[in-house]
Amino acid sequence: QVQLQESGPGLVKPSETLSLTCTVSGGSISSYYWSWIRQPAGKGLEWIGRIYTSGSTNYNPSLKSRVTMSVDTSKNQFSLKLSSVTAADTAVYYCARDRYGYTDIWGQGTMVTVSS
Amino acid sequence: QSVLTQPPSASGTPGQRVTISCSGSSSNIGSNTVNWYQQLPGTAPKLLIYSNNQRPSGVPDRFSGSKSGTSASLAISGLQSEDEADYYCAAWDDSLNGHWVFGGGTKLTVL
Repeated sequence: QVQLQESGPGLVKPSETLSLTCTVSGGSISSYYWSWIRQPAGKGLEWIGRIYTSGSTNYNPSLKSRVTMSVDTSKNQFSLKLSSVTAADTAVYYCARDRYGYTDIWGQGTMVTVSS
Repeated sequence: QSVLTQPPSASGTPGQRVTISCSGSSSNIGSNTVNWYQQLPGTAPKLLIYSNNQRPSGVPDRFSGSKSGTSASLAISGLQSEDEADYYCAAWDDSLNGHWVFGGGTKLTVL
């Protein structure tokens, strides 16, 4: 059974870069899209972007200028970098598998706080 | 402001049938299928309905989805207390190189 686990710093300073990694276990990372989605406390879901195992990406237009995603198939991992963060980027960040028109498997989420 | 529009809240008593609506546009719901997610308090979202009306394995048939034009609906029949959760609709939007869009979420309360 495929499982996803997010990892990375829980605290990031304003103006710095948020970096998260998602490790895929129980299955291969190949031949799927992999998404990042975030959720500020008490608010709804916001899709950040996705990456295919070939490296092809789609990003949320509102975040595109600050987002970079990468994939490491040898480690079964994919990553998110969000630059120039502010308090508005404080949220729970989820990684998820994007499969043929729907997102079917989600990680448990990791809380990231932007604060000095 | 979410691209897909959902009512912020819904409620029902045990055994009742409730519906949650999701309104979009021609570039998202009008062109692509709709998915629904259930988020129980303190947990990650869970896929509830995909491709408008398909249930993943393990999802009770009390949950059903439909789509017409640029709108979609989630129906829950035989409401149970454990259905109290937040529900989100999602669809792929073909504009601006393509991206997923979500509804703002509907908090379902079982009275």
